[in-house]
Amino acid sequence: DAGVIQSPRHEVTEMGQEVTLRCKPISGHDYLFWYRQTMMRGLELLIYFNNNVPIDDSGMPEDRFSAKMPNASFSTLKIQPSEPRDSAVYFCASSLRPAGAPEAFFGQGTRLTVV
Amino acid sequence: RKEVEQDPGPFNVPEGATVAFNCTYSNSASQSFFWYRQDCRKEPKLLMSVYSSGNEDGRFTAQLNRASQYISLLIRDSKLSDSATYLCVVNAESNTGKLIFGQGTTLQVKP
Repeated sequence: DAGVIQSPRHEVTEMGQEVTLRCKPISGHDYLFWYRQTMMRGLELLIYFNNNVPIDDSGMPEDRFSAKMPNASFSTLKIQPSEPRDSAVYFCASSLRPAGAPEAFFGQGTRLTVV
Repeated sequence: RKEVEQDPGPFNVPEGATVAFNCTYSNSASQSFFWYRQDCRKEPKLLMSVYSSGNEDGRFTAQLNRASQYISLLIRDSKLSDSATYLCVVNAESNTGKLIFGQGTTLQVKP
């Protein structure tokens, strides 16, 4: 398996534009997570899905952020409109249904810069 | 208060040194605990799970104190390749796989 695949790897956009980040989890994994990482706040959990259903979106910073998982092999995180403070590395991760100690596998991340 | 707290460091140590990282968590119902490693500009990867009885993997030893809600990672005989950020991770809801990350502790091993 190729692991968790994210695209794009880098994104530079102007303030006010819509940004869509994409993720393909590891085949067979039940859980998908979106995290955001900044120097100031570290890794923050934004939202996670179980079997394509959003379970907890309490980490989504505001209504400008939305996430979908239309099927087991694809998820998107959208920011509309984007702002400079959204600049961060966005990671997608997936894991199997927890049985004790679930390991989360991360994609390589999307480095977003909003200017 | 953050759910998982770590000293961000950086810890600068010479090769061969022993270094210890600490972490505290706020949710006493937390079930599973881990240490992840993150290299510069890379994604986090699982280093080791942390078990109640403590566990060792080569030069790495992890310990858990549930009463104090405290987790530690000890690295012996540190190598240059150990230079990275070490993330303390807690699974607060055992049936969901929801992982909460500490901010990380940066280790720099010098020759």
